[in-house]
Amino acid sequence: AQSVTQPDIHITVSEGASLELRCNYSYGATPYLFWYVQSPGQGLQLLLKYFSGDTLVQGIKGFEAEFKRSQSSFNLRKPSVHWSDAAEYFCAVGAVDSNYQLIWGAGTKLIIKP
Amino acid sequence: NAGVTQTPKFRILKIGQSMTLQCAQDMNHNYMYWYRQDPGMGLKLIYYSVGAGITDKGEVPNGYNVSRSTTEDFPLRLELAAPSQTSVYFCASSRQVINQPQHFGDGTRLSIL
Repeated sequence: AQSVTQPDIHITVSEGASLELRCNYSYGATPYLFWYVQSPGQGLQLLLKYFSGDTLVQGIKGFEAEFKRSQSSFNLRKPSVHWSDAAEYFCAVGAVDSNYQLIWGAGTKLIIKP
Repeated sequence: NAGVTQTPKFRILKIGQSMTLQCAQDMNHNYMYWYRQDPGMGLKLIYYSVGAGITDKGEVPNGYNVSRSTTEDFPLRLELAAPSQTSVYFCASSRQVINQPQHFGDGTRLSIL
């Protein structure tokens, strides 16, 4: 069965520092990959998605993610975080045999140190 | 620019009571979903719908029911509320099933006491 792993439950980063959030998936073929962000008390907002083509994709709010097929990973990055980036981040994977379901990671909570 | 609208935003129920969580979308999406979110557990799919009149169970359907009489509306029904159903519930919709992003409402925070 497909699965999505976000190994870090929470990450603390200083404001202005760079950020990388990890996402690994298990699926044989190339999946559809998504990163979402959830601010406290809010719903989930799409940051970026990868379907095919260039393996480095740009998203909103200065985020980018790189698809690495050999590592089954889709890590989210940002060169310099802002206090407003404090939120929970979810990776999701869609596969052709996933029976209409996106498979979700458990989320990584990002804490920003002033 | 409403997107996906969920009501109510907060609710406290007593054990055994019933209620309906409302969800409406104005994007003419065929696909709609109900998730529950528990701390540290990510999102679990409760039910989904691929169009008006068609619904199916997700990963955690027990204790819930849904209907989809129109494209716009996808209500979630709790018949006999139990403490295990205390959670945050999100409704989402999408244009396609897995190759288009899902659009989420702001959630309903439900406590069963």
